[in-house]
Amino acid sequence: GAGVSQSPRYKVAKRGQDVALRCDPISGHVSLFWYQQALGQGPEFLTYFQNEAQLDKSGLPSDRFFAERPEGSVSTLKIQRTQQEDSAVYLCASSRGGGVGETQYFGPGTRLLVL
Amino acid sequence: GENVEQHPSTLSVQEGDSAVIKCTYSDSASNYFPWYKQELGKRPQLIIDIRSNVGEKKDQRIAVTLNKTAKHFSLHITETQPEDSAVYFCAANKQGGSYIPTFGRGTSLIVHP
Repeated sequence: GAGVSQSPRYKVAKRGQDVALRCDPISGHVSLFWYQQALGQGPEFLTYFQNEAQLDKSGLPSDRFFAERPEGSVSTLKIQRTQQEDSAVYLCASSRGGGVGETQYFGPGTRLLVL
Repeated sequence: GENVEQHPSTLSVQEGDSAVIKCTYSDSASNYFPWYKQELGKRPQLIIDIRSNVGEKKDQRIAVTLNKTAKHFSLHITETQPEDSAVYFCAANKQGGSYIPTFGRGTSLIVHP
């Protein structure tokens, strides 16, 4: 079946521009995660949804970052007034349930470059 | 919060040798430890995981060991092949409240043919 998909795969933005990154999780997966992966680093947690509820957003680096999952499936990560330090790969992952030990399936990521 | 340290950052081996990557964690409540493989430009993929009620788990050429007392866990790859070359990430998770995994910084494994 289809895995997690993300769009766009690459995004170049001018500093100050707003961007929206989309994640399509595996159908029926309850949990959805967003991560930020800087070059040469491991994924850093941003936020987590269980269905449409955003249960944790403690990893969002500033109030310029906003995520939503209004119908409990597709999610959008929005970054307002982008800065150069926002340049990174943004990974989305989904898992079937909400418990520990649930395998997370990652999307291919969106590579964001802010000039 | 949880802190995961991963070593080494780079590991170079000859084809057929074994490779070992080690991670330590700080939160004794962590109870699930997955390992991911990420090839260049591709998504991380789960290769093996272990829960805190198990000390060792093996799947063909890969194995993971866990020492809860010392709070460290390791990935072992035997008979390495060039296609094992990738970045490997460990992670530590705990139950309760939100499920937030903390990842290590990654190990770049290079297997020379």
